[in-house]
Amino acid sequence: GAVVSQHPSWVICKSGTSVKIECRSLDFQATTMFWYRQFPKQSLMLMATSNEGSKATYEQGVEKDKFLINHASLTLSTLTVTSAHPEDSSFYICSASILAGGLFQETQYFGPGTRLLVL
Amino acid sequence: AQSVTQPDIHITVSEGASLELRCNYSYGATPYLFWYVQSPGQGLQLLLKYFSGDTLVQGIKGFEAEFKRSQSSFNLRKPSVHWSDAAEYFCAVANQAGTALIFGKGTTLSVSS
Repeated sequence: GAVVSQHPSWVICKSGTSVKIECRSLDFQATTMFWYRQFPKQSLMLMATSNEGSKATYEQGVEKDKFLINHASLTLSTLTVTSAHPEDSSFYICSASILAGGLFQETQYFGPGTRLLVL
Repeated sequence: AQSVTQPDIHITVSEGASLELRCNYSYGATPYLFWYVQSPGQGLQLLLKYFSGDTLVQGIKGFEAEFKRSQSSFNLRKPSVHWSDAAEYFCAVANQAGTALIFGKGTTLSVSS
């Protein structure tokens, strides 16, 4: 099956610093990727839709200037948490679907997630 | 707007007993439905999915789910639970292929010996 990787898997940073999280589709091209956030013991909430070659679409309540998304290639999307604060500590997960023959396949493939701890 | 409801926050089942996790969705048409499992500190693993066709779908690890349009439900079942099944289970819905998923709040499954 298709594989989505994330790097790093774990990151600890000081308050006020920026952190970049990478999401890669290893064996398929992903024109669209999704970024989710999961707080402890809670569900996954969609943060934004990352579109290759264009601006990301953010969900209501998600600050686009704080969570910068760049989808510069068909296999890589990055999420940068700028000026991170303790309340940004969370589990960040990306996903992507395979586009084949102009149609998206039904299954979304999830990365293993990145756990961010801001001190 | 679409929504997913998992009524049970926490369920405890004896090892070897049967399991049913409930999921109800709110959507006008037939959505794309998924069940994922998440072990502590881990990512998501797809158990099974439904888009069309036979309303009883088989998944991995002995799980199955039944789509019932009249009840807007997609309940997950397993005839005999193993201790390794203890995890968080999420039901999710999408309105079409390639779109973001909306997740339920999850059900924590504990397995007692």
